[in-house]
Amino acid sequence: QSMLTQSPSASGTPGQRVTVSCSGSSSNIGRNTVNWYLQLPGTAPKLLIYNNNLRPSGVPDRFSGSRSGTSASLAISGLQSEDEADYYCAAWDDTLNGYVFGTGTKVTVL
Amino acid sequence: QVQLVESGGGVVQPGRSLRLSCAASGFTFRNYAMHWVRQAPGKGLEWVAVITNDGSGKYYADSVRGRFAISRDNSKNTRYVQRNSLSPEDTAVYFCARGTAMLPEYWGQGTLVTVAS
Repeated sequence: QSMLTQSPSASGTPGQRVTVSCSGSSSNIGRNTVNWYLQLPGTAPKLLIYNNNLRPSGVPDRFSGSRSGTSASLAISGLQSEDEADYYCAAWDDTLNGYVFGTGTKVTVL
Repeated sequence: QVQLVESGGGVVQPGRSLRLSCAASGFTFRNYAMHWVRQAPGKGLEWVAVITNDGSGKYYADSVRGRFAISRDNSKNTRYVQRNSLSPEDTAVYFCARGTAMLPEYWGQGTLVTVAS
């Protein structure tokens, strides 16, 4: 199963803006909406962004998503210590007929 | 509130089979597709399979197709994945998640499966 490509790590100081990128192909991000998940250590993933840029109830507006062509990005503004976690992008792939995740990005708050 | 509770994990020998269950409560089970996603120790997330809300559609990752079988029982608010011919590469925490067919939204806490002799 192919995966979406993310940079392994990103970091920032409290209050800064951090961006996580996600690269895919025409069969996944190029055709279907992108979703983002946050996973704290030892816990289950939590949906953070869906349909490219929508936030589920309860997710702060500090988190925003965008998609352009076969790439997507997640922005975290006003970085806080509790944002330190692993972040995964994901999308349905029409060629594989399955859901594919990104390789994951560890965000560190310095 | 919404609850998804996985069970059936444990230690299993290579080549054997195992059935995982996911018990759902707090929502109308038959209205949602259900996914399985796994995470090997220290690794990223890997989607495994999805079953549509009425059970008519089943989709699998290439890595498990032919070995895993997903099913559901809407009368019992439970779904299953039968896993056959297990290998050490199947060692992972297995999460169930509800959502649409193309979006796992809400996840359970997972159950650990260890394949070892």
